[in-house]
Amino acid sequence: QLQLRESGPGLLRPSETLSLTCAVSGAAISSSAYFWGWVRQPPGKGLEWIGSIYYSGSIFYNPSLESRVRISRDTSKNQFSLTVKSVRAADTAVYYCARGVSYSGYDHFFDSWGQGSLVTVSS
Amino acid sequence: SYDLTQPPSVSVSPGQTARITCSADSFLNQYTYWYQQKPGQAPVVVIYRDTERPSGIPERFSGSSSGTTGTLTITGVQPEDEADYYCQSGDNSGSSVVFGGGTKLTVL
Repeated sequence: QLQLRESGPGLLRPSETLSLTCAVSGAAISSSAYFWGWVRQPPGKGLEWIGSIYYSGSIFYNPSLESRVRISRDTSKNQFSLTVKSVRAADTAVYYCARGVSYSGYDHFFDSWGQGSLVTVSS
Repeated sequence: SYDLTQPPSVSVSPGQTARITCSADSFLNQYTYWYQQKPGQAPVVVIYRDTERPSGIPERFSGSSSGTTGTLTITGVQPEDEADYYCQSGDNSGSSVVFGGGTKLTVL
């Protein structure tokens, strides 16, 4: 049974760097044709895709966030990570990691999600 | 940027049909997907590849897509269907994921 679990700091001050990790069990992130992605949701607002890493290692980012975010993976630990530089109050959100499924090229949707990790940016 | 527009809210009485639209600013070249999200929970996909329903999702959920608009239809709405619904598609390159702004479905 696939499980994804986010872990992160919870509270950050403006200008700090956010680091989140998603531990995956029940599937190998490098051995199946899946995407592994990050989606965030500010309190009371909608979903925003941050980026996804393909099982091959190719990475895709939301153009509006690309300058501040980085997605990486550690296949030996079967986990992938998100880094957001220079955080500000607008980065306050629940951050979800999720598995992406594709039926056509790089177009993908998310069929399994973690429970989410609330990150608050405040001075 | 590529945008998907949803109505902020839709209200229906139990047993009625709810339709939630997702309008793109250009032709929908990629599939449309639909998620249901209840308070405090992660989203759950209810429709994928425009019209496909995952196992475990009730038959009352259906999807369609034509031109620049995708539509989620819930036939015979139940009280437990009250939730936020998000559409998702990809930009023309297929390498970016885009979410609609979400629609709050209220069951009166």
